[in-house]
Amino acid sequence: QQQVKQSPQSLIVQKGGISIINCAYENTAFDYFPWYQQFPGKGPALLIAIRPDVSEKKEGRFTISFNKSAKQFSLHIMDSQPGDSATYFCAASNSNAGGTSYGKLTFGQGTILTVHP
Amino acid sequence: GAVVSQHPSRVICKSGTSVKIECRSLDFQATTMFWYRQFPKKSLMLMATSNEGSKATYEQGVEKDKFLINHASLTLSTLTVTSAHPEDSSFYICSARAGTGRGSYNEQFFGPGTRLTVL
Repeated sequence: QQQVKQSPQSLIVQKGGISIINCAYENTAFDYFPWYQQFPGKGPALLIAIRPDVSEKKEGRFTISFNKSAKQFSLHIMDSQPGDSATYFCAASNSNAGGTSYGKLTFGQGTILTVHP
Repeated sequence: GAVVSQHPSRVICKSGTSVKIECRSLDFQATTMFWYRQFPKKSLMLMATSNEGSKATYEQGVEKDKFLINHASLTLSTLTVTSAHPEDSSFYICSARAGTGRGSYNEQFFGPGTRLTVL
């Protein structure tokens, strides 16, 4: 019930195209859904995050779409650039979880995005 | 955004030795720090959660005697890999979560990671 399933495992997009990565979760108590970008040999960096009270959040070229009833959320990267080539992780957490579960992130499996010039 | 540093960024050690990795929150107080392990092309695996001034909570399957975690202050947590073996070679990443007053209370800020190679 704690899993977050992410797809696809890898994605190749042409420069200027739209990259779409999907995640599905099971735990209905999750109420915070961040996306992280990780370059090789570096730690993850927060890209954008959403809470379930909104269905969409946009920051620049990055948009999260959230479907609470389907328990799914996705990341859309518009006008994809070669510099966007990285591994992307979705995650989820329950802000009301008590004790040692507080603030814990459950990560998806990751998507390796390659944007060809 | 908030900055988390890790030291060293890369370490090579001989089998049987111990290695200490430091994680520091540079511009905020971290009430909670998390330690992750990441294998090549894999997701982050949470090893343990540490709260300042208390014992770390380890995830199932993580040996607490092998991976010693200390969170002595609100800006520093350390992970010591004791009696390291080649199978401990991995990328170790810490994250820090701020207390009240700094960003979303759920937001974790990640360090740059430490590449450990045990020969």
